[in-house]
Amino acid sequence: DVKVTQSSRYLVKRTGEKVFLECVQDMDHENMFWYRQDPGLGLRLIYFSYDVKMKEKGDIPEGYSVSREKKERFSLILESASTNQTSMYLCASSLQSVGAQYFGPGTRLTVL
Amino acid sequence: GDSVTQMEGPVTLSEEAFLTINCTYTATGYPSLFWYVQYPGEGLQLLLKATKADDKGSNKGFEATYRKETTSFHLEKGSVQVSDSAVYFCALLNTGNQFYFGTGTSLTVIP
Repeated sequence: DVKVTQSSRYLVKRTGEKVFLECVQDMDHENMFWYRQDPGLGLRLIYFSYDVKMKEKGDIPEGYSVSREKKERFSLILESASTNQTSMYLCASSLQSVGAQYFGPGTRLTVL
Repeated sequence: GDSVTQMEGPVTLSEEAFLTINCTYTATGYPSLFWYVQYPGEGLQLLLKATKADDKGSNKGFEATYRKETTSFHLEKGSVQVSDSAVYFCALLNTGNQFYFGTGTSLTVIP
């Protein structure tokens, strides 16, 4: 079974803090994604990566950056957290040839 | 651009009722289609998929058929259980390797 893990289930940070959300997958997937999920807005793509050291902006990249130094790990960085970044963050991965995305359990981030 | 439209919820059904959640899509070419399920407080889980026209995806009693002529991929289950209460997402993967999700349909099954 594909396993996608995220470093924290719940996180509380203060405005202005730098926040790291880590995602690890164990199935050698090329593609990795970060989404945020908000009530009434569905899933919105923040960033994605098709390979190590490669990143592409999604629909809402402002205020975020990412890092992919190893194939299995994709990190989302909030350089200076703000209250409007309070959300559920979901990481996903997929195999290039198959396409279906597999999700982690999510990190619920609260910025005070 | 490509998109997925699914019926708005919330949907409330009694146990053992028949479920249909409508999903239609807009895409060029031949996308792959998916249904995901999200239980409270969890991430999304792949429920079923279909990769070409007339394919039927099925899992855990749920089914959906890829209808090219009506650009639809409706989710059905003959007899729902309380444990099926969750949010269901329809999604497509287009030929450009881009994923699109619907906004989700919340299902509550009451005993």
